[in-house]
Amino acid sequence: SQELEQSPQSLIVQEGKNLTINCTSSKTLYGLYWYKQKYGEGLIFLMMLQKGGEEKSHEKITAKLDEKKQQSSLHITASQPSHAGIYLCGADNNAGNMLTFGGGTRLMVKP
Amino acid sequence: EAQVTQNPRYLITVTGKKLTVTCSQNMNHEYMSWYRQDPGLGLRQIYYSMNVEVTDKGDVPEGYKVSRKEKRNFPLILESPSPNQTSLYFCATMRGVSYNEQFFGPGTRLTVL
Repeated sequence: SQELEQSPQSLIVQEGKNLTINCTSSKTLYGLYWYKQKYGEGLIFLMMLQKGGEEKSHEKITAKLDEKKQQSSLHITASQPSHAGIYLCGADNNAGNMLTFGGGTRLMVKP
Repeated sequence: EAQVTQNPRYLITVTGKKLTVTCSQNMNHEYMSWYRQDPGLGLRQIYYSMNVEVTDKGDVPEGYKVSRKEKRNFPLILESPSPNQTSLYFCATMRGVSYNEQFFGPGTRLTVL
């Protein structure tokens, strides 16, 4: 099955700083999803990327998928305490019906 | 309001006592799935269903059963729970059967003693 490595595993930033989380796949990504999870709660969908070179933004969060479709990054600009949580990348299998997740990146934002 | 509900939200049980975690959705989604989340292992898929009466194994199906008799419900059954099934469980749904956003339930925290 597809393996996804996320880095860093955890991150503490000062409020207002920018940060980047990476997600690297051992295989070509057919669909790459970013989710956010508040501790112990359900996952909230952020963005989905499918095409090589694709970039999407929502508020202060930008996600990119590289041209080779094996790496994605999630960038947060001017971080706020509300951005704190666990960020997970997930990837579809070739048929688009099974998701494999990375181990997650735990983000803390210090006021 | 679009919802995925899970019950119970918290459960403490003993080894070998059969239990069912229910999942229900009101979005008329074809696809439903169960995941478990464990520290250091991330989120792993247990079973998924692409429509009524169609279920398939995910990455970690051992010790679990599912059924999909109605579109809105996808219960997870543990016939003989063991301590290694202590975990946080999530149900998820998706419109269509591929390449779409999955909507996650709030989670069920299960402890098997």
